[in-house]
Parts: sequence; structure tokens; C-alpha cells
Amino acid sequence: DAGVIQSPRHEVTEMGQEVTLRCKPISGHNSLFWYRQTMMRGLELLIYFNNNVPIDDSGMPEDRFSAKMPNASFSTLKIQPSEPRDSAVYFCASSPGDQPQHFGDGTRLSIL
Amino acid sequence: QKEVEQDPGPLSVPEGAIVSLNCTYSNSAFQYFMWYRQYSRKGPELLMYTYSSGNKEDGRFTAQVDKSSKYISLFIRDSQPSDSATYLCAMSYNNDMRFGAGTRLTVKP
Repeated sequence: DAGVIQSPRHEVTEMGQEVTLRCKPISGHNSLFWYRQTMMRGLELLIYFNNNVPIDDSGMPEDRFSAKMPNASFSTLKIQPSEPRDSAVYFCASSPGDQPQHFGDGTRLSIL
Repeated sequence: QKEVEQDPGPLSVPEGAIVSLNCTYSNSAFQYFMWYRQYSRKGPELLMYTYSSGNKEDGRFTAQVDKSSKYISLFIRDSQPSDSATYLCAMSYNNDMRFGAGTRLTVKP
């Protein structure tokens, strides 16, 4: 079975550029989550969707971050403009309802 | 006080040892209790999960949940070098999931 698929795996870009991270959840999972992981703060939930509708975006750091889920098989997380402090590993996870989440392998983002 | 407390280690044991990893939590509303394993440069992988107090065993791994003490544990028997990873506890209620900081484990051959 295909797991959660994230792209790109690595992204290096200059400060001020727009960054778009992509996620394809596991088929049949109706909940999708975006996390950020850093050494200092561990795993932080940014936003989660249920049936393509954003339910909780209280973890989104600021207006520079936005997320969309146009259909059940695709989601994006955008950062515009990007800043060096956004450098982290961004994970997408999905789950079937209120069941444990399954994670992708993440996007390692470096903002220079 | 954090909602989920987990000793970050690092923890180093010889091959074959029994490993005990633990977390405490403060929110009694949590319903699901999970352990994730994360290898370097990979995403967290769901290892075990339970929905109630008690023990759950899967091969060399045993998960314990004590809701009255708000304490969960993961035991690894006959540890192998391939078990070297970071182990994160997690717990959730209505899709609201909280993670521990993760314990970095090294099993030395």
C-alpha cells in the first residue's frame, strides 16, 4: 500500500521566496495534518483538515503560512515570503477519522 | 508543565537488553495512546497503539497504559541494533494529538 507521499523531499531556497510543499494522503483517509519538526520544539501541529475542510489552524505561525486541500487526495502548505526561521522538516500525516495518524517522510526545508 | 512529558535521553544499551521507555501526561481526556519510531531522515512510523488501559504485545514490543497514573510505557525485549531510533509517545482525543519530545535510543552490537 502506498503511504503518505510528500514532495519535494528537500527544498533549499532564498529568503523571501515562495515555498510550496505538497502532500498526497493515504487513499480513504479523511483527516490530513501538517506538522513542523525542529530540534528545539519537536513536532508541532500546524493545521488539520477533516473531509477537505480546515478544522484547526491555530498552530499556523503567522499569515505567511497558508494551507489548502482542494480534494481528498491532495494538499499544499505554502510559505510566502519565506524566512530563515522557517527552516525545519515539514511532515504531512493522514488518518481514517479519529484513528492513529500515518506520516510521510517529510520535506526538509532550508531557507538561506 | 507540558501536556506530555518524555525523557529525551539519549539512551544507550547493549544488544539483547530490555529497553523501557516512558511518558507521563496530564490530560485525562486522551483516548488513544501511541508509540512512533522515527529513523534518521524519515517520518514517524506508527509502532503500536492502544485505546484503553492495559498491555498490548506485538513481537518484541509491549505497550502499557495506566490511565489512573497517566503513565504509558514501551518495552523492547531482546533489543537489536536495528531498534536504534527515536521513539515518540503520542496521545490523542478527537484528532487532537500531542507528542512527547522523543527518546533517542542506541542499541550497541
